[in-house]
Amino acid sequence: GAGVSQTPSNKVTEKGKYVELRCDPISGHTALYWYRQSLGQGPEFLIYFQGTGAADDSGLPNDRFFAVRPEGSVSTLKIQRTERGDSAVYLCASSPTGVLSPLHFGNGTRLTVT
Amino acid sequence: AQTVTQSQPEMSVQEAETVTLSCTYDTSESDYYLFWYKQPPSRQMILVIRQEAYKQQNATENRFSVNFQKAAKSFSLKISDSQLGDAAMYFCAYRSQGAQKLVFGQGTRLTINP
Repeated sequence: GAGVSQTPSNKVTEKGKYVELRCDPISGHTALYWYRQSLGQGPEFLIYFQGTGAADDSGLPNDRFFAVRPEGSVSTLKIQRTERGDSAVYLCASSPTGVLSPLHFGNGTRLTVT
Repeated sequence: AQTVTQSQPEMSVQEAETVTLSCTYDTSESDYYLFWYKQPPSRQMILVIRQEAYKQQNATENRFSVNFQKAAKSFSLKISDSQLGDAAMYFCAYRSQGAQKLVFGQGTRLTINP
């Protein structure tokens, strides 16, 4: 079956611009996660959705970052007034409900802010 | 806050040989989960193996096994009969019981020499 799909695969934007990154989870998966992976580092947690609501957004670095999942399926990560330090790979993952349910990751979006 | 440390930025092994990747973590919790993920150049994080902290028996998945030392807070991954397809970044990760987010280490780049 189809896996987690993230679009675009790569995004180049200028400092100060607004960007949206999209994640299509596996059908039926209620949990959705966003992680950010800077060059040479492990992924860092940003936000977790259970259904439509953000159950844990403690990883969002500041108020320039926002994520939505209005219908409990597709999610969009929004970054305002981008900075060069936002350059990273943004990974999305989904899982069925349950603490031990394995996470299924997408291939990520590589964001470059020039 | 929990931290995960991978002290080996790079490792290499001859094809068909055995290699061990190290991981230590810091936590005050008694119940948690530990994971090893593989990240090939496609950027997709793939679950390799999982260990529940309450289980004394080390997890095994085919050629992959772990050495879980709870008192020492150590969680190493052993790959037996290394194959060219094992070449990737490997990340150790921690998850608290009842929490959803993963805390990742910095990663180890594994090279397989033919």
